[in-house]
Amino acid sequence: AQSVAQPEDQVNVAEGNPLTVKCTYSVSGNPYLFWYVQYPNRGLQFLLKYITGDNLVKGSYGFEAEFNKSQTSFHLKKPSALVSDSALYFCAVRGPTNAGKSTFGDGTTLTVKP
Amino acid sequence: NAGVTQTPKFQVLKTGQSMTLQCAQDMNHEYMSWYRQDPGMGLRLIHYSVGAGITDQGEVPNGYNVSRSTTEDFPLRLLSAAPSQTSVYFCASSPATTGDYTFGSGTRLTVV
Repeated sequence: AQSVAQPEDQVNVAEGNPLTVKCTYSVSGNPYLFWYVQYPNRGLQFLLKYITGDNLVKGSYGFEAEFNKSQTSFHLKKPSALVSDSALYFCAVRGPTNAGKSTFGDGTTLTVKP
Repeated sequence: NAGVTQTPKFQVLKTGQSMTLQCAQDMNHEYMSWYRQDPGMGLRLIHYSVGAGITDQGEVPNGYNVSRSTTEDFPLRLLSAAPSQTSVYFCASSPATTGDYTFGSGTRLTVV
């Protein structure tokens, strides 16, 4: 079985400060890891992924994520938050043999205050 | 490119009615999936497909059917709607090599 935990329902940061949204996972085999963002009343948009290679992955809108195999984590980060980053963020995982079956976390609401 | 197109955007059903949510993609993606989103529960996988003619159950398949006769289309059928199926439904497609989803804009379904 595969699973994802996003331990924080809500993250609040001030504009210009760094942000981190946490994600830990459990999966058999090498993980495929993803971050998605959902703006209010919108569908989900892909931000970035880790499949193999460099542990630091860069994605859209200045976001990056660090894969840590020993801690089974894939935290989302951004050096300087913008008010427009306020949204709902989902981490997702799938195993190498679970084609088409990504498992999502419950989501973390990020609020960036001016 | 249109990406992933879902119809309708909104629907109200009475308990016991049936309906089909439509999903089409124009990116020639091998994989397609249906998820439902409920408050505080993230996205839960209903059914998925790894290619035309191949479908399988996800985490919450009861009360739903799917078929995939073409690469492009992946309709979701509600057999006999129940209030517990009130949710937002998302269709998604992904290439087989990477697995990152492109999502449709969603269908907000209310069953009364």
